[in-house]
Amino acid sequence: SQTIHQWPATLVQPVGSPLSLECTVEGTSNPNLYWYRQAAGRGLQLLFYSVGIGQISSEVPQNLSASRPQDRQFILSSKKLLLSDSGFYLCAWRDSSSFYEQYFGPGTRLTVT
Amino acid sequence: AQSVTQLDSQVPVFEEAPVELRCNYSSSVSVYLFWYVQYPNQGLQLLLKYLSGSTLVKGINGFEAEFNKSQTSFHLRKPSVHISDTAEYFCAVTPVQTGANNLFFGTGTRLTVIP
Repeated sequence: SQTIHQWPATLVQPVGSPLSLECTVEGTSNPNLYWYRQAAGRGLQLLFYSVGIGQISSEVPQNLSASRPQDRQFILSSKKLLLSDSGFYLCAWRDSSSFYEQYFGPGTRLTVT
Repeated sequence: AQSVTQLDSQVPVFEEAPVELRCNYSSSVSVYLFWYVQYPNQGLQLLLKYLSGSTLVKGINGFEAEFNKSQTSFHLRKPSVHISDTAEYFCAVTPVQTGANNLFFGTGTRLTVIP
């Protein structure tokens, strides 16, 4: 069966510090991968998605970037965090042969202080 | 473009009472529809989905939803809620077309079950 991991689970970082969040998927090949952010009291905002290694699409211009160095690894980064980057970050995957549902990881709670 | 509206941001309901969480969508093309549930500090879990066929869809944990194309709605229902159903619920759609990637989410409805 497929499993999706995210780490760290929680993170507290000062403004201006760098960020690296990692997501890995097991039990599938060539998945579509997604990064979402969920701000307090708001819905999910799609940040990036990837259909293959090195292929990244950005949905919202911002202080963040994403990379996909391996088939089942998706990384969210920032060079300098802003207070507004605080939120709950969710990684998701979808079977690339399906047009259907996405499956979500447990999330990372980021607090920028 | 697609959009999803969940009119009720919060729904309190007593234990063992029925509940309906409303979802309406807007799209110029046909869509697939989903309901997800999010428990505190966790990721989203798929409750149910509508792809085609019968408009009444049954999901996990006793939930069901009915797709109404004329009203562009996909309301979620449960005949008798439990304390453990307290969570945030998200409605989402994705267009039925080759290459479509994205899920479009509503802003969520927080269901609180009162003992």
